[in-house]
Amino acid sequence: KNQVEQSPQSLIILEGKNCTLQCNYTVSPFSNLRWYKQDTGRGPVSLTIMTFSENTKSNGRYTATLDADTKQSSLHITASQLSDSASYICVVSDRGSTLGRLYFGRGTQLTVWP
Amino acid sequence: EADIYQTPRYLVIGTGKKITLECSQTMGHDKMYWYQQDPGMELHLIHYSYGVNSTEKGDLSSESTVSRIRTEHFPLTLESARPSHTSQYLCASSDKSLQETQYFGPGTRLLVL
Repeated sequence: KNQVEQSPQSLIILEGKNCTLQCNYTVSPFSNLRWYKQDTGRGPVSLTIMTFSENTKSNGRYTATLDADTKQSSLHITASQLSDSASYICVVSDRGSTLGRLYFGRGTQLTVWP
Repeated sequence: EADIYQTPRYLVIGTGKKITLECSQTMGHDKMYWYQQDPGMELHLIHYSYGVNSTEKGDLSSESTVSRIRTEHFPLTLESARPSHTSQYLCASSDKSLQETQYFGPGTRLLVL
């Protein structure tokens, strides 16, 4: 069964600290993996996207890694800011159909305290 | 920020009422999607469209219907709302790049009493 599991479910950190969010998937065949940021009451916004051949990609203070062999990805946030408080969603695409179906994780709810 | 809009943002309505959630995008994207998301849960695809006059049901069974008469417009309709329809509804569209990044609207939070 194709699944995307994220951990931790929620995380609280102090402003300025770093953190790492995890994503494990069983989706096959694999096409790409995205990390989205979803602010409360808003739609998700794409942060990074990685294909099979990419193992790291950065977007400002966000750095995503991908290990396609172990089917694991992580999102590292450096020097956290209050505005980083949001849900971070891991999404995997399988390309098993013409639609290129997306499998969504439940997200990690990150809270950054001052 | 993506040019995709949803109205209303919040809706409280009584059981049995007919409602239409509006979604429009100005990016010229052919593919559009509707997702349902409950608090703390993953997004579930309920409808999608490849283009004008194309509509398909998604993975999650839904009593809603959609139409795609114009490229930029993808409304979702519930003929008779029920409390079980209470949820957040997210509209998205995707570009023609190789990765087909999806751009999401702000969502409509629906509460059916």
